[in-house]
Amino acid sequence: LQLQESGPGLVKPSETLSLTCTVSGDSIGSRPYYWGWIRQPPGKGLEWLGTIFYSGSTYYNPSLKSRLTISVDTSKNQFSLKLTSVTAADTAVYYCAEELRVSFDYWGQGTLVTVSS
Amino acid sequence: QSALTQPASVSGSPGQSITISCTGTSSDVGGYNYVSWYQQHPGKAPKLMIYEVSNRPSGVSNRFSGSKSGNTASLTISGLQAEDEADYHCSSYTSSSTRVFGGGTKLTVL
Repeated sequence: LQLQESGPGLVKPSETLSLTCTVSGDSIGSRPYYWGWIRQPPGKGLEWLGTIFYSGSTYYNPSLKSRLTISVDTSKNQFSLKLTSVTAADTAVYYCAEELRVSFDYWGQGTLVTVSS
Repeated sequence: QSALTQPASVSGSPGQSITISCTGTSSDVGGYNYVSWYQQHPGKAPKLMIYEVSNRPSGVSNRFSGSKSGNTASLTISGLQAEDEADYHCSSYTSSSTRVFGGGTKLTVL
């Protein structure tokens, strides 16, 4: 199983950050598992953003819930993240991961998103 | 939700054993057997080392072990090797059906 994040590396303040995670090696729709987004600001620890079940049920970090939307597209074998009204504090490496047994077993390589004008 | 508490750094000499703690509350670490540990080398994605408190995924060395007592989980690395030098992160399921990470611990092999 492989995961690959994609999306803009630079986003302007107040705009929306959009990332997609493409899964290869198996079908998202055939695996009753969860898919998550995690980020890591430069030099800091990991922060869980949210998780989506393959059927579409979502769980969000309470601190981001008002700005965050995670969705899944089983036809494209992808799941996505949208974070609105970004600020410099949202600058981070964003990872997507497959979540089994409430643990993140497979990770993408990560993509750096910088929020700057 | 508050991040789990980990020591900022730990160190040990080759061959020694070290333990990294991860302290939460009864609403996360203490309430569920869903604690996991991740190893992260610089510039790399995290790698799952322990899941469900004490289980090792296939391919992870048996030098890595996990345990839990009350609201504190622990990762022990025995027979420390130079390649173990990395950041280690814990994570737990919470009573709100969310997940929470610790702040991370930098392990230095002297």
